[in-house]
Amino acid sequence: EVQLVESGGGLVQPGGSLRLSCAASGFTFRSYTMNWVRQAPGKGLEWVSYISSSSSTIYYAASVKGRFTISRDNAKNSLYLQMNSLRDEDTAVYYCARTYYYDSSGYYEAKYYFDYWGQGTLVTVSS
Amino acid sequence: DIQMTQSPSSLSASVGDRVTITCRASQTIGTYLNWYQQKPGKTPKLLIYAASSLQSGVPSRFSGSGSGTDFTLTISSLQPEDFATYYCQQSYSTPQTFGQGTKVEIK
Repeated sequence: EVQLVESGGGLVQPGGSLRLSCAASGFTFRSYTMNWVRQAPGKGLEWVSYISSSSSTIYYAASVKGRFTISRDNAKNSLYLQMNSLRDEDTAVYYCARTYYYDSSGYYEAKYYFDYWGQGTLVTVSS
Repeated sequence: DIQMTQSPSSLSASVGDRVTITCRASQTIGTYLNWYQQKPGKTPKLLIYAASSLQSGVPSRFSGSGSGTDFTLTISSLQPEDFATYYCQQSYSTPQTFGQGTKVEIK
């Protein structure tokens, strides 16, 4: 059974840092690209960051670029999100989500969806 | 970035109603469009991928259509378990983006 379990959330003051972790099990972690997606209280979904299976390709949302760093340790089946210079607007539930590519032909880079999500970890930025 | 705009933002419907949710992209995205359902306190669940492909295990009352910039999610006969928030997601380009969500409430 595929499982993604996030941890590391909590209350932090503006300007502070947190490191989120996502422990993966039930699948070959090193073969999958992964993402962080967040959801502010009562709001919609916002993609935060992407990392390829080998960590060679990384993307960030403009709202977090320069402040957040995504990484992974395939030997430990773990995904991470280092969050620095936190702001009030970073308050959200943070989910890790696995990418599934449904078609390997043609413009395959766009043929994906998020098939498994963790339960999320709440990050609250407040003084 | 590609903006995804859903309409309506919320709707009230009765069990058995036909419900249609629209998602419009700010530029053409082909059929690189997915739909998710999220219930309160739960994680999103994939319903439709590639604009019209039904995810395995999802009831056939859910369907998707569209291409280019305009897309539709249809629930042919609303069931009690379908009351939730629905999101579209474009995977055409990075950053991939979600619509703001459509909340389907009980009338």
